[in-house]
Amino acid sequence: EPEVTQTPSHQVTQMGQEVILRCVPISNHLYFYWYRQILGQKVEFLVSFYNNEISEKSEIFDDQFSVERPDGSNFTLKIRSTKLEDSAMYFCASSKGLAGGLVKQYFGPGTRLTVT
Amino acid sequence: AQKITQTQPGMFVQEKEAVTLDCTYDTSDQSYGLFWYKQPSSGEMIFLIYQGSYDEQNATEGRYSLNFQKARKSANLVISASQLGDSAMYFCAMREAASNTDKLIFGTGTRLQVFP
Repeated sequence: EPEVTQTPSHQVTQMGQEVILRCVPISNHLYFYWYRQILGQKVEFLVSFYNNEISEKSEIFDDQFSVERPDGSNFTLKIRSTKLEDSAMYFCASSKGLAGGLVKQYFGPGTRLTVT
Repeated sequence: AQKITQTQPGMFVQEKEAVTLDCTYDTSDQSYGLFWYKQPSSGEMIFLIYQGSYDEQNATEGRYSLNFQKARKSANLVISASQLGDSAMYFCAMREAASNTDKLIFGTGTRLQVFP
């Protein structure tokens, strides 16, 4: 079965540094997402992306965050100036499309971001 | 307001027994989808099963079944014949059709431990 991939699996960075988390969604999928999960907590929606633009974002996704699909395969999440509270597991997900609204989302294995 | 509620922070079950993980949800939409994901200690999110709000029959996928009670707004996951490998966190999630994206709203999860 096709998979969503994410790199790196673990990223350690210093507070104030920029990080870019990378994802390769499933090739024929049209919708892309980022979620995050602070250790021991629930998974939270950050942003969704369709047709080369953000379709929805949560209150967590402030000006420090941005997303990009720089080519036909990659989907990136950038955090401009990391804070300690950005430490979390970041999941990328993709889906084929709304198709009545009940389409399975495929999650990547996650990138664990540690901000020191 | 809490959209997805999982009231069991932890559950224990003996191998080969069945276990039910509770999930209740809150929505005013008529059209929505309910999902269950498994998160083993390695961290990835594995899709297990989904139920559409208009589906008349309860969803089943192998040893997983979803006990969907629409009037009570509950979507409990039943795992039959538990295996040691079922030990993991289990998250219930919902997608509302009124949302213009596929974003999923997750519950806080239930940690299931299967013992021999």
